[in-house]
Amino acid sequence: DTGVSQDPRHKITKRGQNVTFRCDPISEHNRLYWYRQTLGQGPEFLTYFQNEAQLEKSRLLSDRFSAERPKGSFSTLEIQRTEQGDSAMYLCASSPRTGAPYEQYFGPGTRLTVT
Amino acid sequence: AQSVTQPDIHITVSEGASLELRCNYSYGATPYLFWYVQSPGQGLQLLLKYFSGDTLVQGIKGFEAEFKRSQSSFNLRKPSVHWSDAAEYFCAVGTTSGTYKYIFGTGTRLKVLA
Repeated sequence: DTGVSQDPRHKITKRGQNVTFRCDPISEHNRLYWYRQTLGQGPEFLTYFQNEAQLEKSRLLSDRFSAERPKGSFSTLEIQRTEQGDSAMYLCASSPRTGAPYEQYFGPGTRLTVT
Repeated sequence: AQSVTQPDIHITVSEGASLELRCNYSYGATPYLFWYVQSPGQGLQLLLKYFSGDTLVQGIKGFEAEFKRSQSSFNLRKPSVHWSDAAEYFCAVGTTSGTYKYIFGTGTRLKVLA
């Protein structure tokens, strides 16, 4: 069990550029979550995957955001035409199985700075 | 609406002193409850969780929390704080169906004085 990994750990981009983040969950965890954490706030839910299916998206996830999880393994979160308000820590978490409560295991996050 | 309130943004305690971090929630049913800790530049580490049963739960690093249904609270406690406990602490409600996503509080930043 190597834990949840995220890449890159830090990303600095200019406004208007596109960025993509990757999350590798703990193997055999079929639940995967993305959260966004801005300075001084707790993480806020963005989206949820069960295997490869994206089953819920928050209203925070504007049309510029897209996430996918091909083959139910790793996941990517893409932000198009970045804005300064997108600057935040993007956290990925995974959880085992379905139909029962299990805690979520968080990755170290990707810190995005939009200049 | 579902929400989590952590009324204390910052708390400062002396090393060796006791600690209590407050958490109140609003949820339509008995929620799943969690406390996570986040050190600078790090992800979230689970301290403890409550799903059902005994309302006093023990966690890692000497932390415990008590679920009080009547007060909609899940306060975190530690009898003697160590300097390494300085971090940000987040209380979270886990939704009890569907995605089991979390709703987090805004966090409490703990400073420990030597």
